[in-house]
Amino acid sequence: DQQVKQNSPSLSVQEGRISILNCDYTNSMFDYFLWYKKYPAEGPTFLISISSIKDKNEDGRFTVFLNKSAKHLSLHIVPSQPGDSAVYFCAASDAGGTSYGKLTFGQGTILTVHP
Amino acid sequence: NAGVTQTPKFQVLKTGQSMTLQCAQDMNHEYMSWYRQDPGMGLRLIHYSVGAGITDQGEVPNGYNVSRSTTEDFPLRLLSAAPSQTSVYFCASSYVLGQPYEQYFGPGTRLTVT
Repeated sequence: DQQVKQNSPSLSVQEGRISILNCDYTNSMFDYFLWYKKYPAEGPTFLISISSIKDKNEDGRFTVFLNKSAKHLSLHIVPSQPGDSAVYFCAASDAGGTSYGKLTFGQGTILTVHP
Repeated sequence: NAGVTQTPKFQVLKTGQSMTLQCAQDMNHEYMSWYRQDPGMGLRLIHYSVGAGITDQGEVPNGYNVSRSTTEDFPLRLLSAAPSQTSVYFCASSYVLGQPYEQYFGPGTRLTVT
């Protein structure tokens, strides 16, 4: 049972426009969410995170929104740049439980930003 | 500061062979973990450790062993390789306190079992 789902395998966006990547989760115990970015032949790198006590977190061009009632989060990239082309993984954790530190990942979304 | 290093980068095994994937970090992180990445599956946790001498199973532990004798090293052993273990393996580490979920990943080991 996939507890974290990224239903869009790929997304194509024009440079300068907004990229919106979506993620849904089913486990109501998840209370900390992260986005990772992965280039080919490299390991994932941390991008941005959000705690369940917030509904928005911003870091430069990247903003993550959390809708707890819908169990949905999204990553907005504005403006998108060709260097943002990568695979984006959503991840979730149960911070307060015994699964401390364990991350559950979504399947990933391939973002392509065209010049 | 090398971060998280993994060796080898590539490996081809025959069914039934055993091998050890190496992982080391120089950031004095207490928490270390192993993931495998398969197409359409994201990253799945194999084993993890919250400190030297302490290990526990993740989501897909069967066929793999780990040990943590030092803070720096966390090797992953394949006992008897099977084609289903063909995957890309990532090691990750983080602090236990502070922001523990912002794990740092190594570059990965691409394993093929024939």
